[in-house]
Amino acid sequence: EVVLTQSPGTLSLSPGERATLSCRASQSVSSRFLAWYQQKPGQAPRLLIYGASSRASGIPDRFGGGGSGTDFTLTISSLEPEDFAVYYCHQYDTSPWTFGQGTKVQI
Amino acid sequence: QLQLQESGPGLVKPSETLSLTCSVSGASIISDNFYWGWIRQPPGKGLEWIGTYYYSGSTYYNPSLRARVSRSMDTSKNQFSLTLRSVTAADTAVYYCARQTLVRGIGDGPFDSWGQGILVTVSS
Repeated sequence: EVVLTQSPGTLSLSPGERATLSCRASQSVSSRFLAWYQQKPGQAPRLLIYGASSRASGIPDRFGGGGSGTDFTLTISSLEPEDFAVYYCHQYDTSPWTFGQGTKVQI
Repeated sequence: QLQLQESGPGLVKPSETLSLTCSVSGASIISDNFYWGWIRQPPGKGLEWIGTYYYSGSTYYNPSLRARVSRSMDTSKNQFSLTLRSVTAADTAVYYCARQTLVRGIGDGPFDSWGQGILVTVSS
């Protein structure tokens, strides 16, 4: 199965700063089949990005995704207080579909 | 507005069967454009895909769980269900049902809407 490794495990930043989260795959993943989710404590994950770079409905444009092959990135251009959460990448290129272990963005 | 709601017992004994139902409102599970799936998250850990269903009967499972999992769909009630047999403590998790956008027609796609989740504890 495709193992997704996210880094860093925890990112400590302040509101207004830029956040860059990494997701590395154990084998090549088509950029068409890579997604990112945000999860806050006690809540279900929320789809942010699909197809590596397309924002889901209602997602602010401060969230951006990119990358190809084995390296993908989620960028939050200027952190808002509500952005402090755990972020997961997800590949749906090769079954079984898998998720990364998550990156926690904290103040 | 699409809403998904999981229901079922919060406590299951080891070796028994876990059965959960997802009730969908705001959209029909009979859709050419979407799948319906289950994902779980052990306490304090990451996400694991369990399986994905299509209204026509096509089913896609995580191989790690395939031998213990089965599905059903009740289109008259707009519900789909998960059955997981022979549970152990390792199956303790929050179970989410979700809608999955159909991409290539092989059970793939991003999960674009999620239920709130239900915690299932396996313990005697």
